[in-house]
Amino acid sequence: GQQVMQIPQYQHVQEGEDFTTYCNSSTTLSNIQWYKQRPGGHPVFLIQLVKSGEVKKQKRLTFQFGEAKKNSSLHITATQTTDVGTYFCAGPGPSVGYQKVTFGTGTKLQVIP
Amino acid sequence: GAGVSQTPSNKVTEKGKYVELRCDPISGHTALYWYRQSLGQGPEFLIYFQGTGAADDSGLPNDRFFAVRPEGSVSTLKIQRTERGDSAVYLCASSTSSSYNEQFFGPGTRLTVL
Repeated sequence: GQQVMQIPQYQHVQEGEDFTTYCNSSTTLSNIQWYKQRPGGHPVFLIQLVKSGEVKKQKRLTFQFGEAKKNSSLHITATQTTDVGTYFCAGPGPSVGYQKVTFGTGTKLQVIP
Repeated sequence: GAGVSQTPSNKVTEKGKYVELRCDPISGHTALYWYRQSLGQGPEFLIYFQGTGAADDSGLPNDRFFAVRPEGSVSTLKIQRTERGDSAVYLCASSTSSSYNEQFFGPGTRLTVL
């Protein structure tokens, strides 16, 4: 079945440093979504990428979808303590009608003030 | 407006008992997902509803797990003969139509099987 892996599993950064998490799917994705889960909380939607090679920015966050639509990345510039949490990518599979959504293994970010 | 709600927030039960977990999606959302999340893991897909029908139940681990959504709104996840391995946070999410849209998650139900 479809597998979605993320690296690294954990990342500790000093406040102000940059952070990147990478997401790799075993199958082509019709779109990819990113979620953030704070400790003790539930996943909260950040963004969705649909097109091959697409890049989207949200303030200090930059999201990229790979050309082959099998990988994605999230980059945070100048981390802040509010960025603490686990970041998940999630993909529904190869076609628009494919409904099962597979979440990645997650990257847990800790920001040291 | 109101978000996705789940009840109970916590459920402690004994091995072998039956439990029901309820999800109230955002009004008007036709798509509803159930996930299971173990500590340190990502949400694991269980089942997807489009309206009243289960469009994809391939994630249900075995026949002890069953979910319904009889009127296309509230959904109930039912677990028979609970086992200690069923202990996890059960998350419900809804969206406007399909996996092509962002999912709004509820706070989850923490199930503990003793």
